[in-house]
Amino acid sequence: KQEVTQIPAALSVPEGENLVLNCSFTDSAIYNLQWFRQDPGKGLTSLLLIQSSQREQTSGRLNASLDKSSGRSTLYIAASQPGDSATYLCASEGTGANNLFFGTGTRLTVIP
Amino acid sequence: EAEVAQSPRYKITEKSQAVAFWCDPISGHATLYWYRQILGQGPELLVQFQDESVVDDSQLPKDRFSAERLKGVDSTLKIQPAELGDSAMYLCASSPRTRNIQYFGAGTRLSVL
Repeated sequence: KQEVTQIPAALSVPEGENLVLNCSFTDSAIYNLQWFRQDPGKGLTSLLLIQSSQREQTSGRLNASLDKSSGRSTLYIAASQPGDSATYLCASEGTGANNLFFGTGTRLTVIP
Repeated sequence: EAEVAQSPRYKITEKSQAVAFWCDPISGHATLYWYRQILGQGPELLVQFQDESVVDDSQLPKDRFSAERLKGVDSTLKIQPAELGDSAMYLCASSPRTRNIQYFGAGTRLSVL
């Protein structure tokens, strides 16, 4: 079974800083890797999806990279803002089963 | 903008009672997922539907949980009887087809006392 780990579990940064969130997975045979945002008590919002054949995806201030061989993905957030405060989850989709395997998330706080 | 609708948002029940959650996916989305998210953890898939058929329910505790999507549109997840360990957020998601971005609803937070 795929195991997805996210480090750190929590992160606090001052507004304006660039930051990196890490995600690692044990089975490199993935179909895609997705990053989600979850606000307290809310559902998940998809941020970026990287297909297994891709190395990175960008959306605005967000950039996600994927290194299948090492089982790692990173989410880079540029010029962080207080509105970025949320929990960020990564999830891998396998080549067989098409359900998502989620990490436990990184809780980000951006301090004004 | 189309959204996945879930109700109720919150549910408090006593153990051994029955509870039911409802999900209405985005119109036209063939694939529907139910996830359970325990506080501080990532969501885990309970059941996946393709139209009205169950594709994967390997992680669904079938002795107490049931799910249906009779007409291939909205879906109901039921727990009977509820146990203390069932306290969690229950999330519904849909996608146009498999291998695509999943759109999540706001979830139902269940507290079993």
